[in-house]
Amino acid sequence: AAGVIQSPRHLIKEKRETATLKCYPIPRHDTVYWYQQGPGQDPQFLISFYEKMQSDKGSIPDRFSAQQFSDYHSELNMSSLELGDSALYFCASSLLKREGSGTGELFFGEGSRLTVL
Amino acid sequence: AQTVTQSQPEMSVQEAETVTLSCTYDTSESDYYLFWYKQPPSRQMILVIRQEAYKQQNATENRFSVNFQKAAKSFSLKISDSQLGDAAMYFCAYRSYSTSGTYKYIFGTGTRLKVLA
Repeated sequence: AAGVIQSPRHLIKEKRETATLKCYPIPRHDTVYWYQQGPGQDPQFLISFYEKMQSDKGSIPDRFSAQQFSDYHSELNMSSLELGDSALYFCASSLLKREGSGTGELFFGEGSRLTVL
Repeated sequence: AQTVTQSQPEMSVQEAETVTLSCTYDTSESDYYLFWYKQPPSRQMILVIRQEAYKQQNATENRFSVNFQKAAKSFSLKISDSQLGDAAMYFCAYRSYSTSGTYKYIFGTGTRLKVLA
């Protein structure tokens, strides 16, 4: 079965540079979530989209932005990178509808590890 | 606001023994989902088990089972016949309705499980 695809898997950037992470949700999933997980931390919610519209915002810095495109893939753009942005960034998708195959859970990608030097 | 609390930062269990990880949550909702996710050293987030709040029967998945106490807002995970591959960080998660009409997923701080040979 198709899973959530994230790219790149690893990314190394210098301070003040820009990074873009991509996420391809499971086909037919209508909701995408972005999480940031620092070392030894729990995942922190950044932002979510439902049917290509932003639905909720969490602790996402103003330097970060995200969008979901017509093909449902999503991109997280991070500018003016800081050392503290080094983390594992997860994308997850879900099926909002409860009917049929909706199981309520989040399906996670393998994450993109960002290192800021 | 909903909160999820995992009071055990770290637990250890002997191989083949049973261990229980605790999770409590706070909510005023009556209909919700609860989840346990496993995060092994690879950092991939893997669903272990889910529980729908309207179901009184505790969920089970092979060696994994939960003790769901709705009134007490408790959702513990029992791992039977522990195996070395069970060593991981375990996150309890709660799915709540969002004002946007979608859902938010709230994670606990995690419990690191060590399995001793």
